[in-house]
Amino acid sequence: DAGVIQSPRHEVTEMGQEVTLRCKPISGHNSLFWYRQTMMRGLELLIYFNNNVPIDDSGMPEDRFSAKMPNASFSTLKIQPSEPRDSAVYFCASSGRSSGSNEQFFGPGTRLTVL
Amino acid sequence: KQEVTQIPAALSVPEGENLVLNCSFTDSAIYNLQWFRQDPGKGLTSLLLIQSSQREQTSGRLNASLDKSSGRSTLYIAASQPGDSATYLCAVNNNDMRFGAGTRLTVKP
Repeated sequence: DAGVIQSPRHEVTEMGQEVTLRCKPISGHNSLFWYRQTMMRGLELLIYFNNNVPIDDSGMPEDRFSAKMPNASFSTLKIQPSEPRDSAVYFCASSGRSSGSNEQFFGPGTRLTVL
Repeated sequence: KQEVTQIPAALSVPEGENLVLNCSFTDSAIYNLQWFRQDPGKGLTSLLLIQSSQREQTSGRLNASLDKSSGRSTLYIAASQPGDSATYLCAVNNNDMRFGAGTRLTVKP
């Protein structure tokens, strides 16, 4: 298996632009997680899905952030409009059981820079 | 709200030493605890997962222990090597994955 796949790996955009990050979980996994990592705040869980359904989005910073999982093999995290403070590395992870009690595997991350 | 603390924040040791990284958490009602390794500019690599009913897990030179009642976990690395240099993160799962800030380990040849 190729592991969790994220695209793009790097994104540089200007303030106010829409940004879409993409994730393909490991085949057969039914839980998917979006995280953000910054120097100041470390790793933070933004949202997670079980069987394509959003379970907890309390970590989503504000309405500018939205996430979707239209099918078991694809998820997007969208920021509209983007702001410089959104600059961070965004990770997607997946795990194999709906309870979330199983091991999480991380993608390589998307490094986002908002100018 | 679960708080996860890792001590020390940074550690530098000579090659060959055995070492212990510490992780503490405030809410003991957890499903599991996971240790990760992160190399600079890279993603997280899972090292060990300990379920709440377990007390330890081992993988090669790594051994992780869990004491739920006291809210502590340790990651023991035996015979450290320069390739072990990385940031080690612990994450506690009680329906909401919370990460510590990490311990930055440097193993000097």
